[in-house]
Amino acid sequence: DSGVTQTPKHLITATGQRVTLRCSPRSGDLSVYWYQQSLDQGLQFLIQYYNGEERAKGNILERFSAQQFPDLHSELNLSSLELGDSALYFCASSQSGGRSPLHFGNGTRLTVT
Amino acid sequence: AQTVTQSQPEMSVQEAETVTLSCTYDTSESDYYLFWYKQPPSRQMILVIRQEAYKQQNATENRFSVNFQKAAKSFSLKISDSQLGDAAMYFCAYRSLNYGGSQGNLIFGKGTKLSVKP
Repeated sequence: DSGVTQTPKHLITATGQRVTLRCSPRSGDLSVYWYQQSLDQGLQFLIQYYNGEERAKGNILERFSAQQFPDLHSELNLSSLELGDSALYFCASSQSGGRSPLHFGNGTRLTVT
Repeated sequence: AQTVTQSQPEMSVQEAETVTLSCTYDTSESDYYLFWYKQPPSRQMILVIRQEAYKQQNATENRFSVNFQKAAKSFSLKISDSQLGDAAMYFCAYRSLNYGGSQGNLIFGKGTKLSVKP
């Protein structure tokens, strides 16, 4: 058990809809990262937050947004969903600084029909 | 920008044998971290081993060890005494230590699918 909790585990929704994925980092971890894993694109970095502030952005679509709350949990919002958004979405957390490893949650499997 | 390349999409090993997975990376930085993550069919991402670039000694974790060649920008993973539970997708990842920008983010290779034959 990595200590990173992601909910829900599975999500099935229709095109055009909006969903929210939730992540609770490991106790003491200030950084949260979101990754998308699809069959053809591999693991793609979406966005990073550190102690409530956005730290880095990767290949995140404008239809997607995220935030990290004062209690350090994070939410990834996906809107106007398309079939191609079907993927496994991972949240990871780490302590401050680049020398600590990322610990991954079990992911949320999103299926857009 | 940094890139990570895993040139072996699939590998196979006999149980109890040794297998080496390859990884090369491209960077202009001198200080960074390299990781191997394992993703079994359960889809969890499990940290296998990590290597600090400024350390010349190769990291080892039980049956897992790396061959880190900094000048060649190579970071291979050796699995000794392979077990059925080692069957998984293995991802090599790079992490910059430069502050600002994408510091802290992991850059992944495309992965190598390892099969273990009984």
